[in-house]
Amino acid sequence: GQNIDQPTEMTATEGAIVQINCTYQTSGFNGLFWYQQHAGEAPTFLSYNVLDGLEEKGRFSSFLSRSKGYSYLLLKELQMKDSASYLCAVRDQDYQLIWGAGTKLIIKP
Amino acid sequence: IAGITQAPTSQILAAGRRMTLRCTQDMRHNAMYWYRQDLGLGLRLIHYSNTAGTTGKGEVPDGYSVSRANTDDFPLTLASAVPSQTSVYFCASSEAAGGGEQYFGPGTRLTVT
Repeated sequence: GQNIDQPTEMTATEGAIVQINCTYQTSGFNGLFWYQQHAGEAPTFLSYNVLDGLEEKGRFSSFLSRSKGYSYLLLKELQMKDSASYLCAVRDQDYQLIWGAGTKLIIKP
Repeated sequence: IAGITQAPTSQILAAGRRMTLRCTQDMRHNAMYWYRQDLGLGLRLIHYSNTAGTTGKGEVPDGYSVSRANTDDFPLTLASAVPSQTSVYFCASSEAAGGGEQYFGPGTRLTVT
């Protein structure tokens, strides 16, 4: 079967750095996405990795290791508005997205 | 309209009733998707459409049907609602099937009693 694993919940302090991990086992691999979802709202796109390595976009970076079936999302200089759920999704061999359950990130002052 | 709109925003529905959730996009995207999101579970694909006139089944299609008569609209119909269909439903679109990021509508919160 196909499986995406992420921690259920994480807590971090405003101004700090947090790393959210995602491991996957899927039928094929055609890219990995990270989305942000605030409570009661729709998911919004954050990043996309298809090759190994680090993609940086402002305060957010995403890393991929295809051989390990592993990715992480790194959030720097945390702000209160970063309190949200972070969803990891893998595009499988049929080019459909398989989604993790999401990591709820709580930011404390 | 900007992006994707969904209607209604929320609905309480009696079991056994028929219901259509509406989804419209103005980005001229070829591919559209319907997901359901339940607490503790990832988004699950119900049905998708790679282009107008075609549809396909996702991971959890039973009890749902879709149509794609044109590029912009992708309605989801529950023929006879059951309580297990209580969920938040998101419509999404992407420029091409399997290509690029997906853009999501604001969601429909459906409660079946």
